Amino acid sequence: DAKTTQPTSMDCAEGRAANLPCNHSTISGNEYVYWYRQIHSQGPQYIIHGLKNNETNEMASLIITEDRKSSTLILPHATLRDTAVYYCIVRVGSRLTFGEGTQLTVNP
Amino acid sequence: NAGVTQTPKFQVLKTGQSMTLQCAQDMNHNSMYWYRQDPGMGLRLIYYSASEGTTDKGEVPNGYNVSRLNKREFSLRLESAAPSQTSVYFCATTLDRGYYGYTFGSGTRLTVV
Repeated sequence: DAKTTQPTSMDCAEGRAANLPCNHSTISGNEYVYWYRQIHSQGPQYIIHGLKNNETNEMASLIITEDRKSSTLILPHATLRDTAVYYCIVRVGSRLTFGEGTQLTVNP
Repeated sequence: NAGVTQTPKFQVLKTGQSMTLQCAQDMNHNSMYWYRQDPGMGLRLIYYSASEGTTDKGEVPNGYNVSRLNKREFSLRLESAAPSQTSVYFCATTLDRGYYGYTFGSGTRLTVV
């Protein structure tokens, strides 16, 4: 399975953009990159996913490098409610394999 | 429209007891999954069912059994609970092998004493 590497923790000021990096250097050509977040002890919440093109939805933007070995999740205007653990996942078949994620703390 | 419903929300078991965690979805999704999450760690896949009538092992299947009762329901059974199975259990569903994203339930917090 393709593995992902994320920083353990990051801080961001409220109202600023939060840029969360992820390395997935062993990703295969047909594997998607997914981002989820988990707020406190709730079930993970889907944010966005992509294959090779940049993607944007109402929650975030996903920038994938041309070689697909890394990606960045962008929360354009972080709020206190965005404080959560963010997981970058490479989907293999029908399974999601979670790493330990990045704890994002948005500060007032 | 409830989405993914897990029952019970909390449970305390004694070592050696058995129990079944229930998961039901009303989204007409094909695939269903059971994950566990230990404190400070990411989720680990226990079992999954890609479609009605099929089940497969995930990363950590030992000590668990599953049943895909029908398209809506996927249950996880602990035959003889052990303290190492103390964890939060999440059920997840997806329409078609995950392409459209997964929807998670709110979890079952299980303590085995």
